[in-house]
Formats: sequence, structure tokens, C-alpha cells
Amino acid sequence: QVQLVESGGGVVQPGRSLRLSCAASEFTFGIYAMHWVRQAPGKGLEWVAVISYDGSNAYYADSVKGRFTISRDNSKNTVHLQMNSLRVEDTAVYYCARGFGPYQLNFDYWGQGTLVTVSS
Amino acid sequence: DIQMTQSPSSLSASVGDRVTITCRASQSISGYLNWYQQKPGKAPKLLIYAASSLQSGVPSRFSGSGSGTDFTLTISSLQPEDFATYYCQQSNSSPRFGQGTKLEIK
Repeated sequence: QVQLVESGGGVVQPGRSLRLSCAASEFTFGIYAMHWVRQAPGKGLEWVAVISYDGSNAYYADSVKGRFTISRDNSKNTVHLQMNSLRVEDTAVYYCARGFGPYQLNFDYWGQGTLVTVSS
Repeated sequence: DIQMTQSPSSLSASVGDRVTITCRASQSISGYLNWYQQKPGKAPKLLIYAASSLQSGVPSRFSGSGSGTDFTLTISSLQPEDFATYYCQQSNSSPRFGQGTKLEIK
């Protein structure tokens, strides 16, 4: 059974940094694109970033471009999201999701999410 | 950027009802449209991909249709476990979700 387990969330002050991790298991990690999707409290879903299967390409939502960096370690079956210059509006549950479909731009498996709260 | 608009934003229905949710893209996305179900406190679950393909394990009362800019999700006979929020998502380019449709018990 595919498993994705996020970690690293917490409370952080505006302007500070936080690094999220997602540990994957029970599938061949190195052939799938991986995504981060977030959901602010009581709001809808917002795609954040994607990294290609081999880590050679990464793309970001405009709202996080230049502040967030997605990376992966295929030897450890993990994907990370480095979040710098955090803003109050970055407060959300962050989900790690596996890419699916011809461009791997939809999401067939999701983690349980990790809550990031940006507050002074 | 492609914008996704769902309607209605909320919907009240009864067990056994047939329900349809619509999703409109701001430009053609061919058949690159997916539907997710989310229950409170849980991660979203993929129901339908490529507009009309049922994800493995999803009950056949769920179906999807459409192409281009207009899409629908239909639940043929609502079950108690179907009361949730539903999101459409385009995967033709940078992923974007609709705002969600909350399906509540009447």
C-alpha cells in the first residue's frame, strides 16, 4: 500500500524558514513526479510545487516562486519543501502527493498532511 | 493561467438522490480534468481522472463527463459516505483546483 508521510510542520514567525519532508514507501519512488499541495484553514486546495522523477526539473506556483524550493533524494525515497521568507498567508496544511497521469500533473496518492502556522 | 470554476459552491441533497456538480475551465483543457473528494480532516481522494476514467476502487455510482471547457461529476445515487467536499482540478498545465463544492445532507 502506497504511503506518504509528511513531517516538519509547526509554528514559525513571519520571515523565518521551515523545511518539510515527505517519506514515501511501497512504490518505486524514482519514477514518479512528486508534488506539494496546500490548504489554508477552511479554504480550498492550492498546488504549490512539483519535482520531476529524477529531480532535474521543478516548477512552482507564482505565490511561492523565489521563496520555496522543492527537492528530492531518490536514495532515501524522500521529497522536501524548503520554505523561506514565510508569510502569514502561507499558513496551511501541506500535503505531499504522487504525480499521476500522462504529465503526472494530477495526484493519485496523498499524505495525511502537516500543519504550518506562520504567526508572530 | 487557467481558472477553474465549480458550481454550485454548496448543495443539499438526500440519500438516494442523483447529484451533478459542474466545473468550467477558462480555456480548453481537452480532457485533462480530475475530480477529488475530501472529507473533514482528511486528505483528498482521487475519484475521476482524464474527465471520465474511474480511479481504481471508486464506486461506480461516480461518473465524469465533458471535454474542452465544461465538465460534470455525477453521483447516481447518493450514499451517506458521499457527503463531502468535491474539487475539480485541471492537469493540462500548471495544476489548478476549482473552489470546491460542499455536498451536505438535506
